[in-house]
Amino acid sequence: EAGVAQSPRYKIIEKRQSVAFWCNPISGHATLYWYQQILGQGPKLLIQFQNNGVVDDSQLPKDRFSAERLKGVDSTLKIQPAKLEDSAVYLCASSLTGQGTEAFFGQGTRLTVV
Amino acid sequence: KQEVTQIPAALSVPEGENLVLNCSFTDSAIYNLQWFRQDPGKGLTSLLLIQSSQREQTSGRLNASLDKSSGRSTLYIAASQPGDSATYLCAAGGYQKVTFGTGTKLQVIP
Repeated sequence: EAGVAQSPRYKIIEKRQSVAFWCNPISGHATLYWYQQILGQGPKLLIQFQNNGVVDDSQLPKDRFSAERLKGVDSTLKIQPAKLEDSAVYLCASSLTGQGTEAFFGQGTRLTVV
Repeated sequence: KQEVTQIPAALSVPEGENLVLNCSFTDSAIYNLQWFRQDPGKGLTSLLLIQSSQREQTSGRLNASLDKSSGRSTLYIAASQPGDSATYLCAAGGYQKVTFGTGTKLQVIP
């Protein structure tokens, strides 16, 4: 079974630039999560999709972050414009239903904003 | 709002020791408790998932327990090896929401 795929693995950009991350969840998984993990901290949920609908985006900085999950499969997370404090690892995860089912994570994208 | 705490933040043990990592959560209304391993620069690898109706799960040298009433989970690692060195994270799965702790960084010294 293929795991959660993320790209790119690494990205370095200057502040005020834009960046986009891509995630392909495990086939058949209805729930998709984007997390932000700052060095030394636990992952923080940015947004959660159930199929192509948003379940929770309460911690997503909507003035600069956006995410979409077209057709309920792949998802993209965009930051525009980036700030220095956005430097983090962005993790994508998926689970079968999101309620009591195991979450599987991708390798993450390490973003450095300079 | 669910809050998850992991103590200690860092742990260093000699190879061969048995050890326990602790995880506590404030809201006992959870669906599951999941333990992950994270190697430097890598994503999260799921180790064990305990459903709310279960009390423990075992996989090889790992055993995780769950006590919902006290809001606690423990991860027991038997006969630790240098390859176990990593950060261990627990996550409480609530209604359509998963909340992570800040992790315990484990170093097993040969």
